[in-house]
Amino acid sequence: GESVGLHLPTLSVQEGDNSIINCAYSNSASDYFIWYKQESGKGPQFIIDIRSNMDKRQGQRVTVLLNKTVKHLSLQIAATQPGDSAVYFCAENRPPGAGSYQLTFGKGTKLSVIP
Amino acid sequence: NAGVTQTPKFQVLKTGQSMTLQCAQDMNHNSMYWYRQDPGMGLRLIYYSASEGTTDKGEVPNGYNVSRLNKREFSLRLESAAPSQTSVYFCASTERLAGGPRTGELFFGEGSRLTVL
Repeated sequence: GESVGLHLPTLSVQEGDNSIINCAYSNSASDYFIWYKQESGKGPQFIIDIRSNMDKRQGQRVTVLLNKTVKHLSLQIAATQPGDSAVYFCAENRPPGAGSYQLTFGKGTKLSVIP
Repeated sequence: NAGVTQTPKFQVLKTGQSMTLQCAQDMNHNSMYWYRQDPGMGLRLIYYSASEGTTDKGEVPNGYNVSRLNKREFSLRLESAAPSQTSVYFCASTERLAGGPRTGELFFGEGSRLTVL
């Protein structure tokens, strides 16, 4: 059998529809969150970030929502395009102590856009 | 600007061999990081350097050493490679200073794919 963790959650979306990718984070002390996009064979690329004193932030075609009560983050992509097909990672900054900055990444969600 | 440059892009090693992954950034960033990425997993932090002259362990440091050669360069060394170290390695950097606000995106290199037989 195959191990849990080898298969990424996958979201298939029709071109032109909106996509919502969800992420649960674990540390209530996390104070900064980032969404990254990773295309096949490339390094992760920054999409959008949000601080813990905000609950919504908008970019170009993307919106990040933060719900600290349930420790949930989501990335909304409007009018999804084939170029949006990639693996999306959320990352949280867990402060182990003052002055340190370490991002902890989620396992990722694969977005497939159907033309 | 080239951003973050990693070499080599691909490497095959035999168990027990040693090698060094090189990383250089031309953005005058203070902090640099090494992550590994395994199939179906997120990125896990191996080591980081919050500023020139300092290095600290991340989540999975065993079997690795690092050197912050200067502000631009941060290398990762495998002294005795093991099959469990087969992975894709990413170097990243950020302008953020240690002790400063904990914000700012990480800029990643294209990755170094390492296979240990």
